[in-house]
Amino acid sequence: DGGITQSPKYLFRKEGQNVTLSCEQNLNHDAMYWYRQDPGQGLRLIYYSQIVNDFQKGDIAEGYSVSREKKESFPLTVTSAQKNPTAFYLCASSKIDGGTGELFFGEGSRLTVL
Amino acid sequence: KNQVEQSPQSLIILEGKNCTLQCNYTVSPFSNLRWYKQDTGRGPVSLTIMTFSENTKSNGRYTATLDADTKQSSLHITASQLSDSASYICVVRGSGGSYIPTFGRGTSLIVHP
Repeated sequence: DGGITQSPKYLFRKEGQNVTLSCEQNLNHDAMYWYRQDPGQGLRLIYYSQIVNDFQKGDIAEGYSVSREKKESFPLTVTSAQKNPTAFYLCASSKIDGGTGELFFGEGSRLTVL
Repeated sequence: KNQVEQSPQSLIILEGKNCTLQCNYTVSPFSNLRWYKQDTGRGPVSLTIMTFSENTKSNGRYTATLDADTKQSSLHITASQLSDSASYICVVRGSGGSYIPTFGRGTSLIVHP
């Protein structure tokens, strides 16, 4: 079955540590996204990419980094520079051309900083 | 600036009752509007899509409406079930070149038995 897979589902980190969240899709979508969700707030865009080896900052990119070395993969690194990293992180993908722009989401990764 | 506003922020209803969620947007030019359902701790899933020429679309007990003139959409849930308890997110996509959609903050719906 085609879909988008995030791992790990739960992650605990000590302050000062970098962590990397994995996102893999087999939908052959060109675009991939990372969103952050905090309680009572909507999804906020961290980074997005529409092609391999290229990505753009979203609304809240500070303290995060990404790479897009393969079409299927778009990992997110939460660096120690992110001041408040505890949140629910969602990865998504979509077609760019020939589609309606539907976003397909993974099941999310919940990061807790201890 | 493109914005999507949803109301109410939260809603509690009894099982079997109907409810209507609202979405107002300023995204222009407009391409489409989607309603997503997000269960707690899960990723959102698309319920329905509305394009400029569509006024009403149903998906089972969910019925979405769109008034492109007033830039308003609604999601009506009929005969609610406990499994309808979730967050409902309105997402609007423009057609002006950027494919990045604009998200509302969502309406949190709780259905009590």
